[in-house]
Amino acid sequence: AQSVTQLGSHVSVSEGALVLLRCNYSSSVPPYLFWYVQYPNQGLQLLLKYTSAATLVKGINGFEAEFKKSETSFHLTKPSAHMSDAAEYFCAVSDRSSLISNFGNEKLTFGTGTRLTIIP
Amino acid sequence: NAGVTQTPKFQVLKTGQSMTLQCAQDMNHNSMYWYRQDPGMGLRLIYYSASEGTTDKGEVPNGYNVSRLNKREFSLRLESAAPSQTSVYFCASSDRHRPLQGYGYTFGSGTRLTVV
Repeated sequence: AQSVTQLGSHVSVSEGALVLLRCNYSSSVPPYLFWYVQYPNQGLQLLLKYTSAATLVKGINGFEAEFKKSETSFHLTKPSAHMSDAAEYFCAVSDRSSLISNFGNEKLTFGTGTRLTIIP
Repeated sequence: NAGVTQTPKFQVLKTGQSMTLQCAQDMNHNSMYWYRQDPGMGLRLIYYSASEGTTDKGEVPNGYNVSRLNKREFSLRLESAAPSQTSVYFCASSDRHRPLQGYGYTFGSGTRLTVV
């Protein structure tokens, strides 16, 4: 079974500072990994995804994440935080075997989320 | 705009009442999903539908039923609402025909349900 663990349910950073949101995964087969963002009272939007191509993945709004197999991690970073980055962030995992065994149905498993607060 | 549309956005039910949450997507996606979101628990899969005419249980199906009415629509029904079903419900869809690209989901904006 696959799972993700997000370390830190709340993270606060100053505007202009580095953003680092942590995600570790567990999967018995090579994973696909995703970061989603949820702004208040909205649905989730895809930030970026890793699908076994480049290990450093760039997403929208200046975010990027690096897949590290040896550390089973997929941490999300942004060099300089902006007030508009305040939101909740979710890491998610799916896997190739799930996709095949479920006739292409991609079941994502989500982490519990990290709420990012930006301090002016 | 293309995407996933959920109705209603807000609902208050009394314990024991029933209701159906509606979801429709216009992206010609094959797969659709219902999740619930609770504080500190992330999103948990209730039911999913890999294609029109098929549905399967997810992680937390008890107390819910679903119908995949056609390719566009996937509804979630609470037959006898309980306070434990107070939550935010999200519908999502994905493009099954590109599964090995790890396409990811497109989400609706959610239904906030309170059961009193």
